Amino acid sequence: SQQGEEDPQALSIQEGENATMNCSYKTSINNLQWYRQNSGRGLVHLILIRSNEREKHSGRLRVTLDTSKKSSSLLITASRAADTASYFCATASEGAQKLVFGQGTRLTINP
Amino acid sequence: EPEVTQTPSHQVTQMGQEVILRCVPISNHLYFYWYRQILGQKVEFLVSFYNNEISEKSEIFDDQFSVERPDGSNFTLKIRSTKLEDSAMYFCANLLGLATTSSYEQYFGPGTRLTVT
Repeated sequence: SQQGEEDPQALSIQEGENATMNCSYKTSINNLQWYRQNSGRGLVHLILIRSNEREKHSGRLRVTLDTSKKSSSLLITASRAADTASYFCATASEGAQKLVFGQGTRLTINP
Repeated sequence: EPEVTQTPSHQVTQMGQEVILRCVPISNHLYFYWYRQILGQKVEFLVSFYNNEISEKSEIFDDQFSVERPDGSNFTLKIRSTKLEDSAMYFCANLLGLATTSSYEQYFGPGTRLTVT
C-alpha cells in the first residue's frame, strides 16, 4: 500500500533559518497534502499539491513534488519559534479517498 | 473560516463500555472521515462516508465500530465495546468534494482523546 514517509524524523534549527522536510511514497497519487500538528493537538492543513503540479507556495511555505521519484519536500523559510510542531505528509490515490500518513518530522525552532 | 468541531475533547471510559464520538462537519462538505492516532504513532485511516453510506473502511474498523449521520449534520463514530487498545486520539475530517482545485483538501477537527481503562 502507498505510504508517506518523512525524513528527517527530527530536525532542530535556529530561529530565522530555513527548514526542509522530505516525504517519500510508494504508489501513484492524485494529491499530496502537508499538515502541522502541535503537541497533543489537531491537524492543521497547510497545503495540497496535485500530481500534475511541481511546486506550490503559500506564505513562507514552499512545497515541491517529484512524481518520478515519488517524493515531496516542504520548505519553511525564515523559521519562527511558533513553527515548532510535527509535520506530516499524507497522500491520496484518488481525489476524495483516504489519506495515508507518514510518521512525521518533529521540528524544533530554537530562539 | 468554517471549522470542524468534535465533542467531547476528552473521554475516559472503562473497558467494555460503549462510546460515541461526535463531529460537526463543515456545512456543504460531502465526504466525511474518521482517523485515529495512537500516542506517538502516525495517523491511521478508519472509515470514509459519502452519500449516507460507508465508502471505504480499514482493517481496524471491525464490527465494534459504526458510523452514522443521524440528523444530516452531526457525524458520529460509535465503539460498541471498548478495548484498552482503542485508547487514541480520534479525528474527524471533511472534504468538499467538488471538481475544483481546492476541494480535495481534508480539514480535520481538533480530535477526541479517548482513554480506555
